[in-house]
Amino acid sequence: DTEVTQTPKHLVMGMTNKKSLKCEQHMGHRAMYWYKQKAKKPPELMFVYSYEKLSINESVPSRFSPECPNSSLLNLHLHALQPEDSALYLCASSPRDRGYGYTFGSGTRLTVV
Amino acid sequence: AQKITQTQPGMFVQEKEAVTLDCTYDTSDPSYGLFWYKQPSSGEMIFLIYQGSYDQQNATEGRYSLNFQKARKSANLVISASQLGDSAMYFCAMRDENTGFQKLVFGTGTRLLVSP
Repeated sequence: DTEVTQTPKHLVMGMTNKKSLKCEQHMGHRAMYWYKQKAKKPPELMFVYSYEKLSINESVPSRFSPECPNSSLLNLHLHALQPEDSALYLCASSPRDRGYGYTFGSGTRLTVV
Repeated sequence: AQKITQTQPGMFVQEKEAVTLDCTYDTSDPSYGLFWYKQPSSGEMIFLIYQGSYDQQNATEGRYSLNFQKARKSANLVISASQLGDSAMYFCAMRDENTGFQKLVFGTGTRLLVSP
């Protein structure tokens, strides 16, 4: 299994809603990442988990709450988002050592209304 | 700080022709890694090719090759025999060695359109 699976593929939520994005990989990768990508822009790193521990938080607002319940799963909990948070959210994983190449998921397209 | 520059917002190429997508980078680290990713309209980021800073030879993967010129700090992607399915956004990225993780810094991307 060489895939990173993200669900849902599309999500529309109101500013008062609480929702979660899910990411799953079974490649034994011990580093997992959340990236945010606005339209026509490159991906921007949000969070890095290594061995299920949060290692990097790129000053992301607290309305985004990551969680790594085990080595295969990565969640992103969303609460009280703003319309400007609408974007493509990409999950990725990589070997903890310096191999090459992330494996990205196909992303969740989030629209906040 | 590391920086990736892609100066071509868009490129056009005819099917079966070769195309070069430009990428320059800036880093003070002697050890770094350079990547190219393809992003179709579906959104998935597809890994294409990797070049390590100490690699002696230019990387190749099928129709993709990386023209690595270390002194000029450039890592251009060459796609040979373009296909209609190559139409997509292409990102050059660099691995940030300072964090110890595979944190990638991306360029702004080049949109490639392949015409019949």
